[in-house]
Amino acid sequence: LVLTQSPGTLSLSPGERATLSCRASQTISGRYLAWYQQKPGQAPRLLIYEASTRATGIPDRFSGSGSGTDFTLTITRLEPEDFAVYYCQHYDDSPPWTFGQGTKVEIK
Amino acid sequence: QVQLQPSGPGLVKPSQTLSLTCAISGDSVSTHRGAWNWIRQSPSRGLEWLGRTFYRSKWYSDYAPSVKSRVTINADTSKNHFSLQLNSVTLEDTAVYYCARGDYGMNAGRFDPWGHGILVTVSS
Repeated sequence: LVLTQSPGTLSLSPGERATLSCRASQTISGRYLAWYQQKPGQAPRLLIYEASTRATGIPDRFSGSGSGTDFTLTITRLEPEDFAVYYCQHYDDSPPWTFGQGTKVEIK
Repeated sequence: QVQLQPSGPGLVKPSQTLSLTCAISGDSVSTHRGAWNWIRQSPSRGLEWLGRTFYRSKWYSDYAPSVKSRVTINADTSKNHFSLQLNSVTLEDTAVYYCARGDYGMNAGRFDPWGHGILVTVSS
């Protein structure tokens, strides 16, 4: 299964809305898709799992949606700390697991 | 709250063995409700899952096909940590290495939390 994220880079201003896409090469059953945020010099952090469930402590400006092969991460109003790289990942009970190549959200 | 603390050398010579350890606090390496993973990240390969170990009445390990012939991941219950050994390293194994906790069942591949990364450089 290959995950393709778009765009590669998203240039936005604080307060704007960010929409990130993740497309799978085959249908993901059970909506087992996660989103991670990675800031420079840090490990990825789980944001969203099961396509739309926020992980503990994640603000509600982050939301996930989608099913099948098309998934979206939306950040409704970008805060300065949201500028980072975001990865999607399909997961289930059977390795190996793969990640998308990432979308960088940068300050315009 | 689970925390992972990786450690190990940041420089390995080509053809030698890369060895890293991840100490666990807030959980047991022998938990039946999780698994312990190694993931690496490099500009050329992105985020790459390497393998995991977990305990379900006995120890199991799974490995990525790309490294299966060279990798071993195992656990030390007395120290509550798990380790990664990658043999016969080449320059392509230069990466930031992360340890991460996986859940169980259909969530086995969902990683939370992650330890901080360790940059391992393969160079003579």
